[in-house]
Amino acid sequence: GENVEQHPSTLSVQEGDSAVIKCTYSDSASNYFPWYKQELGKRPQLIIDIRSNVGEKKDQRIAVTLNKTAKHFSLHITETQPEDSAVYFCAASTSGGGADGLTFGKGTHLIIQP
Amino acid sequence: NAGVTQTPKFQVLKTGQSMTLQCAQDMNHEYMSWYRQDPGMGLRLIHYSVGAGITDQGEVPNGYNVSRSTTEDFPLRLLSAAPSQTSVYFCASRPGGRDTQYFGPGTRLTVL
Repeated sequence: GENVEQHPSTLSVQEGDSAVIKCTYSDSASNYFPWYKQELGKRPQLIIDIRSNVGEKKDQRIAVTLNKTAKHFSLHITETQPEDSAVYFCAASTSGGGADGLTFGKGTHLIIQP
Repeated sequence: NAGVTQTPKFQVLKTGQSMTLQCAQDMNHEYMSWYRQDPGMGLRLIHYSVGAGITDQGEVPNGYNVSRSTTEDFPLRLLSAAPSQTSVYFCASRPGGRDTQYFGPGTRLTVL
């Protein structure tokens, strides 16, 4: 089955600086890669996603890049703000053919220092 | 639309007890899934359903049963609760033809 590795487990950055979180996946058939933000005690919330036919996607301060050859994808947050502090999860999906569901990384605790 | 709803929000069980975690969605989504979240482990897929009457196992299915008799409901049954099943459980759904998963608010389960 799919295996998703996520690094780092904790990331501390100064407010206003950029943050980068990296994930690798094992199954070359995976075709959908979402990123979720989870605040303490809340449900995961989708912040951005990318499909395997696209190399990069941007939404305001957030961007995701995908390298299918190397099987890795990254989340980039620019001009970080205190409200960006949370746990971020990457995931991969190989939907279709009767299968469904996401395989998640173990998460990155992002801390924004004032 | 209420989206994806889960009940109860919190539950405490004793070892060996059984219970059902409820999940419902009012968006007519074909696909529904159950995940458990443990500290430092991310979310792991327990069971999923690609439509009414069709279910299959995910990564960590042991100790759990599911059924999907209607499009709206996807209950998760713990047959004989064990302390290792202490976790936060999330239900999710998505429409056919779209990848975006919608998560419920979660159920925090403690097994003593």
